[in-house]
Amino acid sequence: DTGVSQDPRHKITKRGQNVTFRCDPISEHNRLYWYRQTLGQGPEFLTYFQNEAQLEKSRLLSDRFSAERPKGSFSTLEIQRTEQGDSAMYLCASSHPVGRGDEKLFFGSGTQLSVL
Amino acid sequence: KQEVTQIPAALSVPEGENLVLNCSFTDSAIYNLQWFRQDPGKGLTSLLLIQSSQREQTSGRLNASLDKSSGRSTLYIAASQPGDSATYLCAVRGLAGGSYIPTFGRGTSLIVHP
Repeated sequence: DTGVSQDPRHKITKRGQNVTFRCDPISEHNRLYWYRQTLGQGPEFLTYFQNEAQLEKSRLLSDRFSAERPKGSFSTLEIQRTEQGDSAMYLCASSHPVGRGDEKLFFGSGTQLSVL
Repeated sequence: KQEVTQIPAALSVPEGENLVLNCSFTDSAIYNLQWFRQDPGKGLTSLLLIQSSQREQTSGRLNASLDKSSGRSTLYIAASQPGDSATYLCAVRGLAGGSYIPTFGRGTSLIVHP
């Protein structure tokens, strides 16, 4: 169990550019979540996957955002035409499916995005 | 829609004090509640998970309790140390809609000074 990995740790980009983040969950976890966190706030839900299926998306996830989990393993989150308001920490988490009794949520270290 | 509130927003205490952090939620139909710690600029580290059928969980100097009917959980930290300084967040997995998506509070920022 190597934990949840996120890459990169930091990303600085210019407004209008596209960025992509990667998350590698704990290998036996079939649920993967993306959250966004700004300073002084709690994490806000963006989207989640069960295996390769994207089951729910938040209203926060505008059409400039897209997420994939092609083989039910790692996931990517892409933001197109970035805006300064996209500056935030993007957090990935994984867990076992609900019903096992051990659905503890594990987080990665996050990707800090700064849009200039 | 589940809403999670954490009080106080910030707390500064001398080393050695016993602390109580509060988490309240509006919809008592929950699956579980998890407490986390977050250091500045870092991800979240899990502290304790309480299932909806449980009343409390303990790990070392930490004790978390759950009162589903009143929509409250408390995190008790005994004999606080400067290394406990961090933001503490609670996350509630609700039953609504069957998706069990964790909803977070804004956290309590704790400073323990020597």
